[in-house]
Amino acid sequence: KQEVTQIPAALSVPEGENLVLNCSFTDSAIYNLQWFRQDPGKGLTSLLLIQSSQREQTSGRLNASLDKSSGRSTLYIAASQPGDSATYLCAYRGVSGSTPLVFGKGTRLSVIA
Amino acid sequence: NAGVTQTPKFRVLKTGQSMTLLCAQDMNHEYMYWYRQDPGMGLRLIHYSVGEGTTAKGEVPDGYNVSRLKKQNFLLGLESAAPSQTSVYFCASSRGLYGGQETQYFGPGTRLLVL
Repeated sequence: KQEVTQIPAALSVPEGENLVLNCSFTDSAIYNLQWFRQDPGKGLTSLLLIQSSQREQTSGRLNASLDKSSGRSTLYIAASQPGDSATYLCAYRGVSGSTPLVFGKGTRLSVIA
Repeated sequence: NAGVTQTPKFRVLKTGQSMTLLCAQDMNHEYMYWYRQDPGMGLRLIHYSVGEGTTAKGEVPDGYNVSRLKKQNFLLGLESAAPSQTSVYFCASSRGLYGGQETQYFGPGTRLLVL
């Protein structure tokens, strides 16, 4: 069974700091990987989707990378702001099987002003 | 454009009662999904649908039934609620599974408490 692990479970940083969130998966036969943001008491919002043929995707201050050989993805947030405080989840989709996504448990980020 | 909406937002049930959660999307998406989110367990897929009239089991389907009679609606039913079904339920939709259509759009969630 595919497992998706996110480390750390929680992270607190001062405003303005650059930070990296980690996501690892056990099966390298990946189709794509998505990063989501979840605010407290809210649903998930898709941030970035990386196809298996891509190395990275960028949106504003966010950059997500994918290393299939090592089974890892990272989400880089530049110049963090208090508004970035949320839980960030990664979700894996494998080449085989029809189940759409397997989620990690998330990293809870707090950006302190 | 409301996106994905869920009804109700919050519900309390007694063990053994039944209820239906409604998910509606106005994006003409083919795929719809029901997840549950529990502390320490992450998001787990309950059931999903690849189009009107079709449904499939996800990771944790036991105790739940679903129906997709209309393309825009996806219903999740609990026939006999159990305390283990206390959770936050999320509905999501996507245009497809491949070719850049995979992005899932989530509803705001339904908090269910089973006593």
